[in-house]
Amino acid sequence: GQQVMQIPQYQHVQEGEDFTTYCNSSTTLSNIQWYKQRPGGHPVFLIQLVKSGEVKKQKRLTFQFGEAKKNSSLHITATQTTDVGTYFCAGPATTDSWGKLQFGAGTQVVVTP
Amino acid sequence: DGGITQSPKYLFRKEGQNVTLSCEQNLNHDAMYWYRQDPGQGLRLIYYSQIVNDFQKGDIAEGYSVSREKKESFPLTVTSAQKNPTAFYLCASSGTERQPQHFGDGTRLSIL
Repeated sequence: GQQVMQIPQYQHVQEGEDFTTYCNSSTTLSNIQWYKQRPGGHPVFLIQLVKSGEVKKQKRLTFQFGEAKKNSSLHITATQTTDVGTYFCAGPATTDSWGKLQFGAGTQVVVTP
Repeated sequence: DGGITQSPKYLFRKEGQNVTLSCEQNLNHDAMYWYRQDPGQGLRLIYYSQIVNDFQKGDIAEGYSVSREKKESFPLTVTSAQKNPTAFYLCASSGTERQPQHFGDGTRLSIL
């Protein structure tokens, strides 16, 4: 079946530094979505990318969808303590309905002041 | 406020008992979902419903059952057939299956 993998599993970042987390799917995706879950909280939708090679920015966050629609990345610049949490990518395989999301295991981000 | 309400927040079950987790939304969303989250893992889809009176199995449906008799409600029953039910259960909804999912605060289920 479809698998979505995220690396790294953990990311320790000094406040002010940049980092990137990566998402790879074993199958082609219809779209890729990113969610953020704060400690003790629930996932919150960040963004959805649909087109091959698409790049979207949200303030200090840059999201990219690969040309083959099998991978994605999230780059955060000038990390702040508010960026703490676990970032999940998720997407439906092209053979599935859009609602049937496969989630990666997430990248847990810890920020050191 | 519009949103998704899950209850209870914490639930304890004795072995051999069925328990039902509640999920209600007032967002007028057509689609609803149930996920299971285990420590250090991503979310795994249990069941989803794209419209009232219809639902489909997700990746880990064994030992669970759902109903969708009303648009705003999508209760999940964890049956005694689920051998390892201790987990964090999240309910979500979306306007349609093509739209982003909004999550409730979750229910933590533990076995006594």
